[in-house]
Amino acid sequence: KAGVTQTPRYLIKTRGQQVTLSCSPISGHRSVSWYQQTPGQGLQFLFEYFSETQRNKGNFPGRFSGRQFSNSRSEMNVSTLELGDSALYLCASSPASGGIGYTFGSGTRLTVV
Amino acid sequence: DQQVKQNSPSLSVQEGRISILNCDYTNSMFDYFLWYKKYPAEGPTFLISISSIKDKNEDGRFTVFLNKSAKHLSLHIVPSQPGDSAVYFCAAITGGTSYGKLTFGQGTILTVHP
Repeated sequence: KAGVTQTPRYLIKTRGQQVTLSCSPISGHRSVSWYQQTPGQGLQFLFEYFSETQRNKGNFPGRFSGRQFSNSRSEMNVSTLELGDSALYLCASSPASGGIGYTFGSGTRLTVV
Repeated sequence: DQQVKQNSPSLSVQEGRISILNCDYTNSMFDYFLWYKKYPAEGPTFLISISSIKDKNEDGRFTVFLNKSAKHLSLHIVPSQPGDSAVYFCAAITGGTSYGKLTFGQGTILTVHP
């Protein structure tokens, strides 16, 4: 069965722009979580969606937002990009919210110049 | 406040020997611990987990040990193989209430030499 698919794989944006990243979970998975990975901070939790509702949110500014559609696909948006937003953004899906069975996608590498 | 710590940034071992990766945590509410393996430009791949009510879990060459009193867990890989070379992350979750929030350590780069 297909894994977690993230698009695009690579993205270059300019400071001040906004960006939207997409995540298609494994078929049947209803929970989608997002993480940011940087060399300095490691893997940091952004937010989690289940059945189109945000259930949990990490410690990130309001410029980071997300949503989930009825087919469980999820998008995250970052507005007014800063150089420090350059990172690998990872999405993980799970059959249910609150469990431990998370499968990660390969990520989107965002570079802000 | 780093609730999950991997104090060794890197570890180098010979093929066939044992690799031991360590992880410490501070939050007593964590009730599941997981190990992930990650290659560059790929997402983390789940390896093995352990519930806080157990002290050992084995899966093939991988064994995770949990010492709750010391808030410490370790991953043993025996025997180590060159293909095991990757970054290993320890993660923790409060099952049922964390809603997707895995708390990760900073990772340990494992290099297995032929």
